[in-house]
Amino acid sequence: DGGITQSPKYLFRKEGQNVTLSCEQNLNHDAMYWYRQDPGQGLRLIYYSQIVNDFQKGDIAEGYSVSREKKESFPLTVTSAQKNPTAFYLCASSIDPWGGNTEAFFGQGTRLTVV
Amino acid sequence: AQSVTQLGSHVSVSEGALVLLRCNYSSSVPPYLFWYVQYPNQGLQLLLKYTTGATLVKGINGFEAEFKKSETSFHLTKPSAHMSDAAEYFCAVSFSGGYNKLIFGAGTRLAVHP
Repeated sequence: DGGITQSPKYLFRKEGQNVTLSCEQNLNHDAMYWYRQDPGQGLRLIYYSQIVNDFQKGDIAEGYSVSREKKESFPLTVTSAQKNPTAFYLCASSIDPWGGNTEAFFGQGTRLTVV
Repeated sequence: AQSVTQLGSHVSVSEGALVLLRCNYSSSVPPYLFWYVQYPNQGLQLLLKYTTGATLVKGINGFEAEFKKSETSFHLTKPSAHMSDAAEYFCAVSFSGGYNKLIFGAGTRLAVHP
């Protein structure tokens, strides 16, 4: 089945640690996205990538980093510079990075908690 | 600046009653509009979308939405609620040109009571 796989489903981070969230897609989509979800705030865009080896900051990129070395993969690193990382993180992809009229497909999410 | 407003963070209906979830957008260019549903601890699933053409859009699970340009609205409706409709619903907007960025509303949590 084609889709987006995020792992792990639950992740715990100690203060000062960097952690990496995995996102893999087998939909052959060019564009990939990372969103952060907090209660009552909807989804906010962290980073997006329109093509391999290229990515752009979204609205809340501070304290996060990404890479796009393969079309299928778009890992997100939450660094120690992110002061409030506890949230639900969603990875998405879309077939067309331009135009705006194609829907995004979402993974099942990773819930990150700082302990 | 483009934005999306969902009126009512929580909506409660009885099983069998009409579901109406409100979404208004702000935009200076023609929008593309989407409704997504999210079940607890899950990702988002597309319910329906409006891009061009017919302004009344039918989606999955009996939901539909109507794009009203004069009211800058894209309200989601379902004639008869089912217990399985209990979830959080997000309205989103994107635009032609530039990259394919979705702007989301804050979400509406729908509760369905027997």
